[in-house]
Amino acid sequence: AQSVTQLGSHVSVSEGALVLLRCNYSSSVPPYLFWYVQYPNQGLQLLLKYTTGATLVKGINGFEAEFKKSETSFHLTKPSAHMSDAAEYFCAVSGSPGNTPLVFGKGTRLSVIA
Amino acid sequence: ETGVTQTPRHLVMGMTNKKSLKCEQHLGHNAMYWYKQSAKKPLELMFVYNFKEQTENNSVPSRFSPECPNSSHLFLHLHTLQPEDSALYLCASSQDGDRGYEQYFGPGTRLTVT
Repeated sequence: AQSVTQLGSHVSVSEGALVLLRCNYSSSVPPYLFWYVQYPNQGLQLLLKYTTGATLVKGINGFEAEFKKSETSFHLTKPSAHMSDAAEYFCAVSGSPGNTPLVFGKGTRLSVIA
Repeated sequence: ETGVTQTPRHLVMGMTNKKSLKCEQHLGHNAMYWYKQSAKKPLELMFVYNFKEQTENNSVPSRFSPECPNSSHLFLHLHTLQPEDSALYLCASSQDGDRGYEQYFGPGTRLTVT
């Protein structure tokens, strides 16, 4: 069965500092991995996704994530945090064939301190 | 209208009321989803429709009744709800139910059951 673990329900960084949000997954098949962001009172917006090919994936708003099969990880990073990055971030893994919906992690709330 | 829209954005209803949530996607997708997002709980998948056929029902109580008249529209009919059903209800769509496709979310309906 597929599962996602996001380490840290709340991460706080200073403006301009590195953002690192951790995601580990479990999958019985080669995974497709996604990061979503949710701003207050809004739906989820896709930041980036990995399906096949290059393991370093670049997304919107300066975020990127690296797929590491050996570590079963897909951590999200951004070199320099901005106040507008404050939001909830969700990592997700696709279901196994025939059981297709995404499996989401519990989310990590990112706070950015001025 | 673009993307995925949901109406109403906010809904307050009594436990004996009947109401419906509406979702419309303008992306030409073939799969649509209902999720429940409660405070401090993971995102819960409720229903999946793929090419208008319900393919998943995650043990959702019968007081929630989905309807998908075509690939662009999805409804969630509500009746005799409980206070614990208060949550943000998110609709999403994807190209189809295949595992590689990302889901696009609407802004959600904030439901309060009194």
